[in-house]
Amino acid sequence: GNSVTQMEGPVTLSEEAFLTINCTYTATGYPSLFWYVQYPGEGLQLLLKATKADDKGSNKGFEATYRKETTSFHLEKGSVQVSDSAVYFCALAINQFYFGTGTSLTVIP
Amino acid sequence: SAVISQKPSRDICQRGTSLTIQCQVDSQVTMMFWYRQQPGQSLTLIATANQGSEATYESGFVIDKFPISRPNLTFSTLTVSNMSPEDSSIYLCSVEGGTEAFFGQGTRLTVV
Repeated sequence: GNSVTQMEGPVTLSEEAFLTINCTYTATGYPSLFWYVQYPGEGLQLLLKATKADDKGSNKGFEATYRKETTSFHLEKGSVQVSDSAVYFCALAINQFYFGTGTSLTVIP
Repeated sequence: SAVISQKPSRDICQRGTSLTIQCQVDSQVTMMFWYRQQPGQSLTLIATANQGSEATYESGFVIDKFPISRPNLTFSTLTVSNMSPEDSSIYLCSVEGGTEAFFGQGTRLTVV
């Protein structure tokens, strides 16, 4: 079947620290991969996406590379800010969307 | 892109009552999706709503508990019926455009 497994949180980092949130997937075909972000009190917003193997999605300093050989789509950011505090969801789309459980990130000054 | 307005944003309801959640999209879409996000868990698809036909429910969800209306191409409602504390969740509507999903801001439901 199709599923997404992502790193459990919560994650707490100091400002300017390096962020990695791991995400792996299983899929019956060739999915598109996504990271969505949910800020407090808001709905999910697309952060970045990649539609085929070796594509790199990037936005707001975040990056993730579609790795077919390791079935992974890890989210990284070189220097986090307090405003990055949110819940991050990894997702795949193949006929429908499948979401990971979300990783809560808190960045402290 | 699509802008989705969902209401209410939150509600506290008594067990045994029903709540209807509304979702309005700023463009015409064929399919609208309803998700549930239970505390500390991922989004789970409840059903897919097509205009002019019965909604398609995922395993574990039934029409009697979660009736859905889709009267036109920009609007849908989800009703949570005969609520119990286990129904306390965030409910989200969503549409898809291209290779992306767009979400409403969610309805945070607490059943007491």
